[in-house]
Amino acid sequence: GQSLEQPSEVTAVEGAIVQINCTYQTSGFYGLSWYQQHDGGAPTFLSYNALDGLEETGRFSSFLSRSDSYGYLLLQELQMKDSASYFCAVKDTDKLIFGTGTRLQVFP
Amino acid sequence: NAGVMQNPRHLVRRRGQEARLRCSPMKGHSHVYWYRQLPEEGLKFMVYLQKENIIDESGMPKERFSAEFPKEGPSILRIQQVVRGDSAAYFCASSPQDRSGTQYFGPGTRLLVL
Repeated sequence: GQSLEQPSEVTAVEGAIVQINCTYQTSGFYGLSWYQQHDGGAPTFLSYNALDGLEETGRFSSFLSRSDSYGYLLLQELQMKDSASYFCAVKDTDKLIFGTGTRLQVFP
Repeated sequence: NAGVMQNPRHLVRRRGQEARLRCSPMKGHSHVYWYRQLPEEGLKFMVYLQKENIIDESGMPKERFSAEFPKEGPSILRIQQVVRGDSAAYFCASSPQDRSGTQYFGPGTRLLVL
C-alpha cells in the first residue's frame, strides 16, 4: 500500500523552530513536496526535494533522505501566521500522494 | 498572472442532482489534476488530464464521476446523482509539465449535498 506518516499536531511559540517529520512508503517516488494549508484555504506549495539533502527557502527548509524514505520541513523564526496544516506529498509519476497533515499551532 | 481558477467556490446540491465543477489552469499550464479533501483529512488524488486526454483516472470512483479537459475551455469534474458522501472540498491543480514536482492549487469548490 501507499502511506505517509506525519505527526498529527505540533505546538510552538513565536520565534521558535519547529521540525515536521514525514516518513513514506509508496510504490513510486519522484520527489517529496510540502504544502501549507490554512483553514478553509487552498494548499500552497512550499518546497520540493527530488534529491537527497537540504533545500532552503527563506524561513523554511526541507530535507530528504531517499535511502531512509524520510523527509522533514523545518520552520524557523515562527510567526503567528504560520499556524496552519502542513502536508508532505510524494510525487508518484503524475500524481501527488498526500500525508494526513500536521496541524501547527503557534502561540504568542 | 492569474493563478488556478475554480468555480463555483461553494455549491449546494440535493441528493440525486448533478454537480459540475470547473477549473481553469494557470496560463501556460497544460496539465490538470483533481483532488478531493474530506474534513480533517489530506487530499486524495482523483484524476490527471491533459488537453482532450485523460492520463490517469485511478483515483476516480468508477460510477457517477467523470472529468474532461476540452481543447477549448476549462476542465470539468462532473458528479451525477450526488449522495451525501460526496460532500467535500474539491481542489484542482495545474502544472506546466508532467513529472513536475510543483503543482499549483486553486481555491477549491466546497460541495455540500443535502
